[in-house]
Amino acid sequence: DAGVIQSPRHEVTEMGQEVTLRCKPISGHNSLFWYRQTMMRGLELLIYFNNNVPIDDSGMPEDRFSAKMPNASFSTLKIQPSEPRDSAVYFCASRLRGVTMNTEAFFGQGTRLTVV
Amino acid sequence: KQEVTQIPAALSVPEGENLVLNCSFTDSAIYNLQWFRQDPGKGLTSLLLIQSSQREQTSGRLNASLDKSSGRSTLYIAASQPGDSATYLCAGPGGDKLIFGTGTRLQVFP
Repeated sequence: DAGVIQSPRHEVTEMGQEVTLRCKPISGHNSLFWYRQTMMRGLELLIYFNNNVPIDDSGMPEDRFSAKMPNASFSTLKIQPSEPRDSAVYFCASRLRGVTMNTEAFFGQGTRLTVV
Repeated sequence: KQEVTQIPAALSVPEGENLVLNCSFTDSAIYNLQWFRQDPGKGLTSLLLIQSSQREQTSGRLNASLDKSSGRSTLYIAASQPGDSATYLCAGPGGDKLIFGTGTRLQVFP
């Protein structure tokens, strides 16, 4: 497996524009996580899905942020409209969630977002 | 609510030293704990996963232990090398979530 794949790797956009980040989890994994990383706040969990269903989106900072997982192999994180304070590295991670234990979580390489 | 703390925040050591990185968590009802490494500008690489039924896990020069009763995990790095320089993060579950500590930034100099 190629691991968790995120695109784009880098995104520079102007304030007010819509940004869509994409993630392909590892095949067979049923949990997917979106994180944001900044120097000030470290790694913050934004939202996670189990079996394509959003379970907890309490980390999503504002209504400008939305995430979807239409099928087991694809997820998007959308910011509309984007603001300079959204500049960060956004990571996607996946793992296999079991009844009694979970496997390792694996991370993508991240999308570095810069909003100017 | 699960909170994860890592000490020290930064560490600079000469090559060859044995190191201990610490991770504390507030919710002892965890069922696993995972250690990651992050190189500058890169993603997170999984190092070790310890299930709650285990006390420790080993991979090469790395050994991680888990003590649920005290809410602690330690990552032991034997015979450190310059290539070990990176930020090390631990993550404990809060329910289904993976909650991260703020990391320990390690520099190993020749």
